[in-house]
This record gives sequence, C-alpha cells and structure tokens, in this order.
Amino acid sequence: GQQLNQSPQSMFIQEGEDVSMNCTSSSIFNTWLWYKQDPGEGPVLLIALYKAGELTSNGRLTAQFGITRKDSFLNISASIPSDVGIYFCAGRLSGAGSYQLTFGKGTKLSVIP
Amino acid sequence: KAGVTQTPRYLIKTRGQQVTLSCSPISGHRSVSWYQQTPGQGLQFLFEYFSETQRNKGNFPGRFSGRQFSNSRSEMNVSTLELGDSALYLCASSLQPNTEAFFGQGTRLTVV
Repeated sequence: GQQLNQSPQSMFIQEGEDVSMNCTSSSIFNTWLWYKQDPGEGPVLLIALYKAGELTSNGRLTAQFGITRKDSFLNISASIPSDVGIYFCAGRLSGAGSYQLTFGKGTKLSVIP
Repeated sequence: KAGVTQTPRYLIKTRGQQVTLSCSPISGHRSVSWYQQTPGQGLQFLFEYFSETQRNKGNFPGRFSGRQFSNSRSEMNVSTLELGDSALYLCASSLQPNTEAFFGQGTRLTVV
C-alpha cells in the first residue's frame, strides 16, 4: 500500500522563526491535504492542493504540491505560540472507486516563546 | 454552518462488548470516511461511504463495520471489543469523495 514519510518527526523552534516540513510518497497522489491537530481534538484542515506544482497560502502558511506528485511541503512563517500542535500531511490517490486518505505520522511542533 | 458532529465524545467499554459510534456530516456533504488514530499506528483508514454505499474498506478485521443512512449520517460498529481497539475514532465528511475532508472532534474509545 501507499507509504507517506513525513519529516521531521518533531521540531523545537523559537517564536518568530520560520518552519518547514515535508512529506514524500512511494506513490503518485492526486490530492495533498495538510492538517493541524491539537490534543484531544480532530484534525483541522489547513490547506488543500489539487494540482502538481500548485502553491497555496493560508495566512502565514504556504504549501506546495510537488511536480512529481510524490511530495508536498508546508511552510509556516513567523511562528507564534498558537502554532504548537501536530501537523499531518495526507495524500489521496483517486481512482478505482476509492478516495481514502493516507496520512503521514505527523510533525510535532513546539514553539518556545 | 455546523461542522462534523461525532457522538459520543468519550466512551469506556469492557472487553467483549460492542460499541456504536455516530457521525453527522456537514450539511450537504454526502461522503463520510472513518479513521482510527492510535499513538503507535497513527491515522488508519477504516471505511469510506458515499450515497449509502461503502466504496472502500481498510485493513481491519470484520469486527469493524459501518453504514451510512439516506441523510448521510453514518455509524460504525465494533463488536467483541479488544484492548487494542482503544483509540480515537475520527469521522471525516466531504461534499464529494474527491474534495476536502473535514474531521469531527472524534470519539475517544477506551476498552478495559
């Protein structure tokens, strides 16, 4: 089945710094989604990407759909304490009647004030 | 616009019992998927429903089942609970199967 490698597993950064995380896949995906999850809550959708090469921003967040369709990255600029949480990438391989999401293991972000 | 609603939020069950979890998708959304989240395995796909039809099922034993109703609400059932079934069960709804998926807060199931 599809495998998603998300890195880094965890990050400790100073408030105000920029953050970058990425996901790579052994398979080609048609959709990449990025989520943030706080403890005890469900994942919250941050950015959705549907086309190879697509670059999309949501406030201080920017994500790109890799040209090979096997990777995606998420950047957070000027981090603030409320950015703390676990960030997940998810890929969707549409076709064969299934639209399930395959998730990375997550990147745990800690922001030091 | 209300988000995805999952009930109950927390549940404690004994080994061998069965449990039913409920998910009400965002109004107008017809696609519902279920995921199991554990610290060791991360987010694992359980089922996918669209217009009351199960389109796909993940690699879980037959004790895990689900269904979707005509109003798009979905339920999942786990029979003969095992300790390893303790997890956060998440439901996601989409307008169409290939559009953005929005998650509920999840149901935290603890099997003792």
